[in-house]
Formats: sequence, structure tokens, C-alpha cells
Amino acid sequence: DAGITQSPRYKITETGRQVTLMCHQTWSHSYMFWYRQDLGHGLRLIYYSAAADITDKGEVPDGYVVSRSKTENFPLTLESATRSQTSVYFCASSERGFPTNEKLFFGSGTQLSVL
Amino acid sequence: QKEVEQDPGPLSVPEGAIVSLNCTYSNSAFQYFMWYRQYSRKGPELLMYTYSSGNKEDGRFTAQVDKSSKYISLFIRDSQPSDSATYLCAMSGRGTSYDKVIFGPGTSLSVIP
Repeated sequence: DAGITQSPRYKITETGRQVTLMCHQTWSHSYMFWYRQDLGHGLRLIYYSAAADITDKGEVPDGYVVSRSKTENFPLTLESATRSQTSVYFCASSERGFPTNEKLFFGSGTQLSVL
Repeated sequence: QKEVEQDPGPLSVPEGAIVSLNCTYSNSAFQYFMWYRQYSRKGPELLMYTYSSGNKEDGRFTAQVDKSSKYISLFIRDSQPSDSATYLCAMSGRGTSYDKVIFGPGTSLSVIP
């Protein structure tokens, strides 16, 4: 199916463990983004990528690592999970980046709980 | 002060009512203004997009931007139960944080049949 898919949908892990959230898009969009959504904070940008092999930090990058070896995939890794990383994570893609960014397509999210 | 402020609600209205959702912002560099709708346990989806000041209408939805007051609004006419969702304002512009889209925290709306 065309679109942007995230996996897993739900994940429970323990502090200190490494966790990887997957994101795959079928539109060949150049730009991909990772956001986390927390009550009272809204969506905050973790990392973004303008193209394969090009990534950059967003607002809250600490404790996260990304890679983009292929245009369609943009995995997010929590190197050593902490409770403060309990959140809902959204991957998004867009055909164009700055300055318009007018249409972000979001996945359905991964709900991550760190115990 | 957060860059984008939005009343979190929740807002509850009867079916058929006119709904007004608002955001204020602090950074005058914002030029592109968006509204996203997010249903429970789903990702946000783009609802409206406007550039600079003015109004834009799309069916029952009207987006307004007042750059002089740093204030944007989304109006929903003849609201329906299917409009029950969280509405996120978003904006971007050169010179803003990371030159990427900044989201408000969202307003939760319930339309009661």
C-alpha cells in the first residue's frame, strides 16, 4: 500500500535498552522527519533528513540516533532508553522542504513506553 | 514563552455550531501557516494551508491569519460529530527554529450530536 508506515505500533521496553523505531514511505519524498508528541508540548522535532545520507538535528535530539541509507527508510534509534523518552513517536515525510513545508504526511505513530 | 501558543481545551460544542480555534505566536518570521487535524490514535493530517496574511476557505473550513497581531484562527461552520478531533496549528518561516514546521500543542474538540 502507498503511504507512510511505522512499526511497531506499540512498544514496551526497559530503561537502558536500545530500541529502534521503523519508518517507511512509498512516495519517494525527499524529506523525512521524526517527531515526538507529549501532552502539553505538542509535536517536537527530533531529527530530519533532506535526502539519503543527509540528516540533521531538530529541537530535541539528545538520546536519539537516525540514519537514512535509502530514500524510503528513516529509522530512529534510542541508544539507551530512559523513562523521559516515553512518548508517541511520529514519522513524517514531505515532497518539499523549507521554506514551504506545506504538506507533511504522517504515519500512524509508535506508542513507546519505557519502564 | 513558547513560540506557538494554543488553548488545549477541551472544547465541546453541539452539532451545527460554529467553532473557532485560535493560536498566537511570538516569532514575526513565520510566513506559512497550517492547520492539522488529528483523530485519536492517528497521525495528524493537513487540513488548511495559508501563506502570509489573509483568509482561505475550503468547504466548511476557513483559516484566517493576522500577522500584525500574530494570531491565526480556524473556523468550522455547521460542525459535525466527525469533526471531533485534536486540531494543531503549525507554522514555519525563514529564521525560525531549525527552519522547520513548529506545532502548537493542539486543541481537543468534541462535537456532540
